[in-house]
Amino acid sequence: GAVVSQHPSRVICKSGTSVKIECRSLDFQATTMFWYRQFPKQSLMLMATSNEGSKATYEQGVEKDKFLINHASLTLSTLTVASAHPEDSSFYICSASSGPGTDTQYFGPGTRLTVL
Amino acid sequence: GQNIDQPTEMTATEGAIVQINCTYQTSGFNGLFWYQQHAGEAPTFLSYNVLDGLEEKGRFSSFLSRSKGYSYLLLKELQMKDSASYLCAVRGEKLSFGAGTTVTVRA
Repeated sequence: GAVVSQHPSRVICKSGTSVKIECRSLDFQATTMFWYRQFPKQSLMLMATSNEGSKATYEQGVEKDKFLINHASLTLSTLTVASAHPEDSSFYICSASSGPGTDTQYFGPGTRLTVL
Repeated sequence: GQNIDQPTEMTATEGAIVQINCTYQTSGFNGLFWYQQHAGEAPTFLSYNVLDGLEEKGRFSSFLSRSKGYSYLLLKELQMKDSASYLCAVRGEKLSFGAGTTVTVRA
């Protein structure tokens, strides 16, 4: 149980392109979903927290107009990187939780974004 | 804010035991997690401690002392596949991750 999928697993795009990443909880309803970014040899950095049906809460320093998050249903959240630039190249990982903050988060397999 | 410290690297021999320590400072505490992450992959959940004491799960055990702000992950009977990064994560107001400990298991 507690399977989270992400799509695509890898994307290479040109600078200025917008990229959408989907995160799905396959066998449970995810009240809360989280988006992380991980640069090489660094730890996970939380970008934003989203609750189904409400606006995402962004961490300090994360541009909400650049990283658009939609959590339209209890099984799907999307992250759109608007007008991606090479510095946005990173490993993006989502996680999902079936309850509020204290519940275990289950991670998706991650999306490797490379912006040329 | 939160501050989480764990060693950068550890090396051990196949079949041995390794203990990865994690110390933390947090405003508010709602649990401590250990995750395993292989290179290029997302983390996978290993353990969760919210009360003091030892949680055992097969070859992996995790210990927590809230008064000391201290946890450890114990890996027994090491196997080559255990070579990975081990992340200590503390939930205060949000879940924050340590930088990870890279464990290398040698034959």
